[in-house]
Amino acid sequence: AQSVSQHNHHVILSEAASLELGCNYSYGGTVNLFWYVQYPGQHLQLLLKYFSGDPLVKGIKGFEAEFIKSKFSFNLRKPSVQWSDTAEYFCAVNTDKLIFGTGTRLQVFP
Amino acid sequence: NAGVMQNPRHLVRRRGQEARLRCSPMKGHSHVYWYRQLPEEGLKFMVYLQKENIIDESGMPKERFSAEFPKEGPSILRIQQVVRGDSAAYFCASSPEGQGTGAYFGPGTRLTVT
Repeated sequence: AQSVSQHNHHVILSEAASLELGCNYSYGGTVNLFWYVQYPGQHLQLLLKYFSGDPLVKGIKGFEAEFIKSKFSFNLRKPSVQWSDTAEYFCAVNTDKLIFGTGTRLQVFP
Repeated sequence: NAGVMQNPRHLVRRRGQEARLRCSPMKGHSHVYWYRQLPEEGLKFMVYLQKENIIDESGMPKERFSAEFPKEGPSILRIQQVVRGDSAAYFCASSPEGQGTGAYFGPGTRLTVT
C-alpha cells in the first residue's frame, strides 16, 4: 500500500533562513506528488504538484520541490522564509487515491 | 466558481447522538474524498467516492461511520452514536477526475463530542 513519510514534525526558523522539508513515499509505480499548505485557521491549499517532466517543480510564494525517483523523495524547499510562511505543510501522493503525510509544522520567527 | 463547501463549520454533539457532515464539491467535480484531522496526526484518509459509488473506503472505521455521494445533492459523512474520540476536524476534497490529480479542499467541519 502506498504511504507518505514526513520526518520533520516541527521546524522552527528565523526569517531569511533557508527551508527544506523532507517527504518520502513508498510506491513502486508512477506517482503524482503534491505539497499542500494549511495556514492557521484555514483549509488546505495546493502549493505545488508534480505529474511528469522536469523533476524540479516551482510553486507559489517562492516554494519549489524536487522529485528524486531513485530516492522516492519529493522535498520542499524555499531559499528564504518569511514570517507569513508559518503554517503546516503536507506532502501527498496520488496513485489510486490521495494519501497524505502527517504534516510538518513550520514556525518562522521575525 | 464556488469552491468546495462544507457545512456545518462547527458541530457539537453529545455522546450517542448522530453527526451528519455535508460536502458540496466544486462545480464539475465528480469525485469526493473525506479526511479526518486530529492534532499531531495529520490528515487521515477515510473514504473516496464517485457519484453513487464508493471507490475506496479502506480508511473508514468499520462501525458507526458511513458515507454517500448521491446523484443529486452533497456528499454526506454520517457518524452514528458518536463518542468523544470522534472529535476532530473533518475535511472534504473534490477533484474533477479520479487518478492523477490533486484535490481542492473545503474549509472543514469541526466536530466536538461532549
